[in-house]
Amino acid sequence: QKEVEQNSGPLSVPEGAIASLNCTYSDRGSQSFFWYRQYSGKSPELIMFIYSNGDKEDGRFTAQLNKASQYVSLLIRDSQPSDSATYLCAVRYSGSARQLTFGSGTQLTVLP
Amino acid sequence: DGGITQSPKYLFRKEGQNVTLSCEQNLNHDAMYWYRQDPGQGLRLIYYSQIVNDFQKGDIAEGYSVSREKKESFPLTVTSAQKNPTAFYLCASSSGQATGEKLFFGSGTQLSVL
Repeated sequence: QKEVEQNSGPLSVPEGAIASLNCTYSDRGSQSFFWYRQYSGKSPELIMFIYSNGDKEDGRFTAQLNKASQYVSLLIRDSQPSDSATYLCAVRYSGSARQLTFGSGTQLTVLP
Repeated sequence: DGGITQSPKYLFRKEGQNVTLSCEQNLNHDAMYWYRQDPGQGLRLIYYSQIVNDFQKGDIAEGYSVSREKKESFPLTVTSAQKNPTAFYLCASSSGQATGEKLFFGSGTQLSVL
């Protein structure tokens, strides 16, 4: 069973702080990694994807990938109350065509 | 506007009844997916289709059925064999071959049992 593990939280950070969200995965052959944001009762929306070791930055968001440790993270700088949501980590495993395996999500609350 | 349309937004099922959730996309995407989400959980794959007239079981296909007669449409039937159908159902599609290809999601259907 190929798994994606996330700390369910809730994670609370003050406004303006850095929020750090973590995800581990079980298959070393995994190819690509995605972070989705989901507001309550809504569908997920893609924030970032990464497939090479290292950091990838997009505005206030940075994805970090360490394939040796089977670890991917999402940093949110200058957190805003509007960032309060559940963040889902998803992994495309090798040989899995186009399917994604999702973690259970981390609930983030940014306190004003 | 291009996108994925799911209907209905809310659906109620009586015991022993089959119900069908609609999913239509006008993005010209080849691949379509159905996911189930339970409260506080991630998304679990029910079925997926990479091409018209072909589909594959996901991780939790038991009690569900699908069809893909048209590129634009991928309806999901929740059969009476699915004993715990209450969940949020999400349809998604994707297009290309790229490693980072994006999943586009519909707005979801909340299914409840009467």
